[in-house]
Amino acid sequence: EPEVTQTPSHQVTQMGQEVILRCVPISNHLYFYWYRQILGQKVEFLVSFYNNEISEKSEIFDDQFSVERPDGSNFTLKIRSTKLEDSAMYFCASSDRTANYGYTFGSGTRLTVV
Amino acid sequence: AQSVTQLGSHVSVSEGALVLLRCNYSSSVPPYLFWYVQYPNQGLQLLLKYTTGATLVKGINGFEAEFKKSETSFHLTKPSAHMSDAAEYFCAVSDQGAQKLVFGQGTRLTINP
Repeated sequence: EPEVTQTPSHQVTQMGQEVILRCVPISNHLYFYWYRQILGQKVEFLVSFYNNEISEKSEIFDDQFSVERPDGSNFTLKIRSTKLEDSAMYFCASSDRTANYGYTFGSGTRLTVV
Repeated sequence: AQSVTQLGSHVSVSEGALVLLRCNYSSSVPPYLFWYVQYPNQGLQLLLKYTTGATLVKGINGFEAEFKKSETSFHLTKPSAHMSDAAEYFCAVSDQGAQKLVFGQGTRLTINP
């Protein structure tokens, strides 16, 4: 069964450093997403991406965050200057239609900012 | 704004017993509803979804859920729990045609031998 692949599975970074989280969505999917889950809290929507542009973003997704699809297979989330409160599990997801049909999620990247 | 409430952050049942995980939503229009499961160190896996049509939906691993508009609920059930059902379960909602999912806080299901 096709999978969404995320790398690395765990990343530790120092506060203020830039970090890039990588995702390889399912190949024929058109919609891409990032979510995060701070330990003990809800899974929260960050951003959706379609047709090479952001289609929706949450208030969490401020100027410190950016997304990119640099080639035909990767989808990245960049955090420019990490803060302690950015520590969370970040999930990438993709779908071939809108959210109404359910996503396929990756297994997540645990980001720890020290 | 939409919101999802899962009653009980932790539910414990005996193997073979009924599993009931509760989910209530608030939405101004009929939403689309989902249950996801997360096994340790894995991603979120879609269990089942309700979009339109029959209000009782069946999913993978013997789970089912019923959409009750009058109660704004979408509770997840399984008649007989297996040890392998131990995981975190998330209820989620989206508006029709929307991009994002709004998740509940999750319910950790523990199965006792």
